[in-house]
Amino acid sequence: DTGVSQNPRHKITKRGQNVTFRCDPISEHNRLYWYRQTLGQGPEFLTYFQNEAQLEKSRLLSDRFSAERPKGSFSTLEIQRTEQGDSAMYLCASSATGELFFGEGSRLTVL
Amino acid sequence: QQPVQSPQAVILREGEDAVINCSSSKALYSVHWYRQKHGEAPVFLMILLKGGEQKGHDKISASFNEKKQQSSLYLTASQLSYSGTYFCGTEEGAGGFKTIFGAGTRLFVKA
Repeated sequence: DTGVSQNPRHKITKRGQNVTFRCDPISEHNRLYWYRQTLGQGPEFLTYFQNEAQLEKSRLLSDRFSAERPKGSFSTLEIQRTEQGDSAMYLCASSATGELFFGEGSRLTVL
Repeated sequence: QQPVQSPQAVILREGEDAVINCSSSKALYSVHWYRQKHGEAPVFLMILLKGGEQKGHDKISASFNEKKQQSSLYLTASQLSYSGTYFCGTEEGAGGFKTIFGAGTRLFVKA
């Protein structure tokens, strides 16, 4: 399968714990995006990379959120000191020419 | 700036037509359209670049009015498989590859 792969698919954690999600994009795609989606809403932009460079980060994103894309390949999204409001589906997408190819997402539940 | 979609929801009988609208208060570089089925990732439908072009495949087409900063998605002779939530995504200004999504239009096609 050469699509966008995300793991874990589901994560349940207690408030205050740190969590990390991984995204493996389509191999020839140089752009990688992270979005957050809550029930009944559209994907909310978090950040994106061109190769290994993080070009933009949403102003809505607190300092508890950090993303990396070492060597321009896979990416990780870490959330520190999770809060109940962080519960959502975290979607990764990759792109080469504009259209976004989404992964199946990582669902986070913070208790 | 999140684009505004209308209507919020549509119920159709199989074979009927529908139009979904997307508008922005910002000058747009491009408009994307995606469909998301329940529990699945959004899937790319088409992208329209500024220039007022119209695109389509099968019985789904879209237009982009750059001057009005509006796009419309046309679903003709709807099929049961068209059910899902449709999102428009917009890139502002001169591009930059950051796509911002609307809140979505829920479409339900019944037999």
